[in-house]
Amino acid sequence: QSVLTQPPSVSAAPGQKVTISCSGSSSNIGNNYVSWYQQLPGTAPKVFIYENNKRPSGIPDRFSGSKSGTSATLGITGLQTGDEAEYYCGTWDSSLSVVIFGGGTKLTVL
Amino acid sequence: EVQLVESGGGLVQPGGSLRLSCVASGFTFSSYAMSWVRQAPGKGLEWVSAISGSGGSTYYADSVKGRFTISRDNSKNTLYLEMNSLRAEDTAVYYCAKGLVRYMDVWGKGTTVTVSS
Repeated sequence: QSVLTQPPSVSAAPGQKVTISCSGSSSNIGNNYVSWYQQLPGTAPKVFIYENNKRPSGIPDRFSGSKSGTSATLGITGLQTGDEAEYYCGTWDSSLSVVIFGGGTKLTVL
Repeated sequence: EVQLVESGGGLVQPGGSLRLSCVASGFTFSSYAMSWVRQAPGKGLEWVSAISGSGGSTYYADSVKGRFTISRDNSKNTLYLEMNSLRAEDTAVYYCAKGLVRYMDVWGKGTTVTVSS
């Protein structure tokens, strides 16, 4: 059971927009940076958003991140079939002194 | 090029031991905390352990505390994970990643650990 709660799956048509939520608590999201990772089947995770809303070099601006209180959101616009993947949120938990991940959200581009 | 390469995975019997290694290149290894993250077959990501850049601070998930030991050799740019008293539920792909509290920006391709009799 993950400490961070994500929807198991989301779906949308190509070109549309989708959001993935990540809910936590004051000891984790509420007081620490959130990062988002994309994992394609059979490959290692790759950071897509860090420090709540920053994009690493090479990540298109179709991807965005936000945080409010104890929740965070990953937004993806202009969906492409290549965006189909598992997405995980992650953060530090100050009370437990551990990194925690959400359970993952499978994005399907219909 | 920034790169992390894991090795040391394999098949081990329950109760056995294994030592994973992760060789880093392309960045100043000693300046960064490093983490191990695992993924059981068909499951999500689970953070396992981390160590500060100097090696002076270590962190563990409750699921491995007392059984796994993380360490690093900054002279060899290498991160280690010593795994003892292995259980079936430790079966997973183990990833080495650069970073800890803020985010993990570089990941290795992973090494597979299978615990089975």
